[in-house]
Amino acid sequence: DQQVKQNSPSLSVQEGRISILNCDYTNSMFDYFLWYKKYPAEGPTFLISISSIKDKNEDGRFTVFLNKSAKHLSLHIVPSQPGDSAVYFCAATPILRNYGQNFVFGPGTRLSVLP
Amino acid sequence: NAGVTQTPKFQVLKTGQSMTLQCAQDMNHEYMSWYRQDPGMGLRLIHYSVGAGITDQGEVPNGYNVSRSTTEDFPLRLLSAAPSQTSVYFCASSYSSGGREDYGYTFGSGTRLTVV
Repeated sequence: DQQVKQNSPSLSVQEGRISILNCDYTNSMFDYFLWYKKYPAEGPTFLISISSIKDKNEDGRFTVFLNKSAKHLSLHIVPSQPGDSAVYFCAATPILRNYGQNFVFGPGTRLSVLP
Repeated sequence: NAGVTQTPKFQVLKTGQSMTLQCAQDMNHEYMSWYRQDPGMGLRLIHYSVGAGITDQGEVPNGYNVSRSTTEDFPLRLLSAAPSQTSVYFCASSYSSGGREDYGYTFGSGTRLTVV
């Protein structure tokens, strides 16, 4: 049973529009969340994170929203660019420890930004 | 360039063969881990290490062994390869000490393994 779900395997968006990628989780102990972006034949790269003490975190064109009561987070990309076309993974972990974290990853959503 | 280096990038094994996937990082990260990526299943944790001499199992450890004799290296051994181990394998590392705003991993570029 997946603890982190990304129910949309793929998403297509026009260049310049907003991309919204969704992630749901079931484990109420999850307290810290990250988004990774992955291009073909490369390893995932860190994109943005959010802890449960916040409900929003922004970094340039990327914003992550967290709704703890709904166990839901979303990644907004505005405006979307063709270079954003990639697979996006949502990841979660319980309360941060002092000795490294094991993250649980969702299955990923493939975003295609069309010129 | 600083980062996580995985070798080989591609490998084909016959059922029953053994091999070692190499992973090295030069960022002095204490935490290292191995994930496998399969279609529709995301990244699943195989084994992880919080420092030299310390390893532990993740979600899918069966059929794999690890050791951590140095901070830099974290090899993954397949003892007797099976077709179910056909996957893309990623090594990752991160800082383990608290107080950092970003607890994200740095990933290697992956090893694509096919077992026939």
